[in-house]
Amino acid sequence: QKEVEQNSGPLSVPEGAIASLNCTYSDRVSQSFFWYRQYSGKSPELIMSIYSNGDKEDGRFTAQLNKASQYVSLLIRDSQPSDSATYLCAVNEDTPLVFGKGTRLSVIA
Amino acid sequence: DAGVIQSPRHEVTEMGQEVTLRCKPISGHDYLFWYRQTMMRGLELLIYFNNNVPIDDSGMPEDRFSAKMPNASFSTLKIQPSEPRDSAVYFCASSLRQQETQYFGPGTRLLVL
Repeated sequence: QKEVEQNSGPLSVPEGAIASLNCTYSDRVSQSFFWYRQYSGKSPELIMSIYSNGDKEDGRFTAQLNKASQYVSLLIRDSQPSDSATYLCAVNEDTPLVFGKGTRLSVIA
Repeated sequence: DAGVIQSPRHEVTEMGQEVTLRCKPISGHDYLFWYRQTMMRGLELLIYFNNNVPIDDSGMPEDRFSAKMPNASFSTLKIQPSEPRDSAVYFCASSLRQQETQYFGPGTRLLVL
């Protein structure tokens, strides 16, 4: 049974701070990793995808992947109240995505 | 492209009634996925199709649930008979290839009384 684990939160950070979201996965051969953001009452939307070890930056977002330790993280710099949402980690190999249950982030103005 | 389209957006029905949810994937996407999301269980994959063929329906909770994809632009998820524990948000998603980004529709909020 492939599993993706996330701390459910809520994770509260002040506006302007760095928010750090973490995810661990059980399937060592996983190859594709995704972070989705889901606002309350809305559908998940893709923020970042990462396939190789290391960091990938896109604006205020940085995804970090460590396959040896089987974790992937998402850093949000200069957090804004509009970043308040649930962040879902998703992982796959040759099967469809397996989603974590998400971490709820609250950015306090 | 309009993105993934789902209908209805909201459905309220009584226990025992048949419910049909509909999905139109993004044009050109070969994969279509049906998910169910609840607070307790998170986002669960129910079934997925590749080129209109069901590949894995192991996530379908019971025989009361069935899904079809008669053509590349349309899929249905049917619950018959519906039960209160089926109340959830049902999402449809599509992707070009299995390992690639999935794009989600707006979801159908189902409430079974």
